[in-house]
Amino acid sequence: GAGVSQTPSNKVTEKGKYVELRCDPISGHTALYWYRQSLGQGPEFLIYFQGTGAADDSGLPNDRFFAVRPEGSVSTLKIQRTERGDSAVYLCASSPAALYGYTFGSGTRLTVV
Amino acid sequence: AQTVTQSQPEMSVQEAETVTLSCTYDTSESDYYLFWYKQPPSRQMILVIRQEAYKQQNATENRFSVNFQKAAKSFSLKISDSQLGDAAMYFCAYRSRGGSEKLVFGKGTKLTVNP
Repeated sequence: GAGVSQTPSNKVTEKGKYVELRCDPISGHTALYWYRQSLGQGPEFLIYFQGTGAADDSGLPNDRFFAVRPEGSVSTLKIQRTERGDSAVYLCASSPAALYGYTFGSGTRLTVV
Repeated sequence: AQTVTQSQPEMSVQEAETVTLSCTYDTSESDYYLFWYKQPPSRQMILVIRQEAYKQQNATENRFSVNFQKAAKSFSLKISDSQLGDAAMYFCAYRSRGGSEKLVFGKGTKLTVNP
C-alpha cells in the first residue's frame, strides 16, 4: 500500500479483555516496529521485526504483550488481560531495511475502561 | 541507556518568524543518528530532518535546519518563516548506528503558530 495502515483506528475495551491491533506495512518493507505513546509522552519502543522474526523485543512491558509477523508483512500486537494502564496510542512503523528511515502509521488509540 | 530531553513543553511563534526547539541527549556511543519528528493531530509521526553524528555539517531541509553540537550533546531544530501548518508536537529522537534499531524519543514540544 501507499502507507502504513493500522486498524482499528480506535478501540475501546473492558478491563481484563483480550485485544489485537493490526499493522499493514508498506509493501516490501522488511523492518517493522511497534511503539506505545502514552498521553503527554513520546513514543516508547516495544518490539522490532526483521522479516518474520522479532529482532528486539526488549520493550514489551510484560508477558501480557505479544506480537507476531508470520509471513513477514502484516503484524499483530496482542494484549491479554488488558489493564487501564494499557490505554495509549499504539504506533506501527516500517522501513525497507533497518538502516533507513521509518514511515509511521496513524496509530490505534486503545482505551481500557 | 540513552536518554533524550526536551526542556520546552510548549513554544509559540508568530507566523513568518523563526523559532528554535531544544533537545539534549545522553549517550556513551560515538556513532548514532538524531531525528526530529512532527506529530500533527492525525497522530502520524512525520520525519522532519535527520543528522548523522559523524557528519559535522548541520542538516538542512528547506525551512528546517539543525544546530548539532556533538560535544555538548545538543541537537536543536530551527524553523524559519513559520507557517500555520507547522503547528504540531515535535519530538527529538536518538538511534544507535549499530545494534538495536529502536528510536528513543523525548517527551515532545508543542508548537503553536499564531497568525
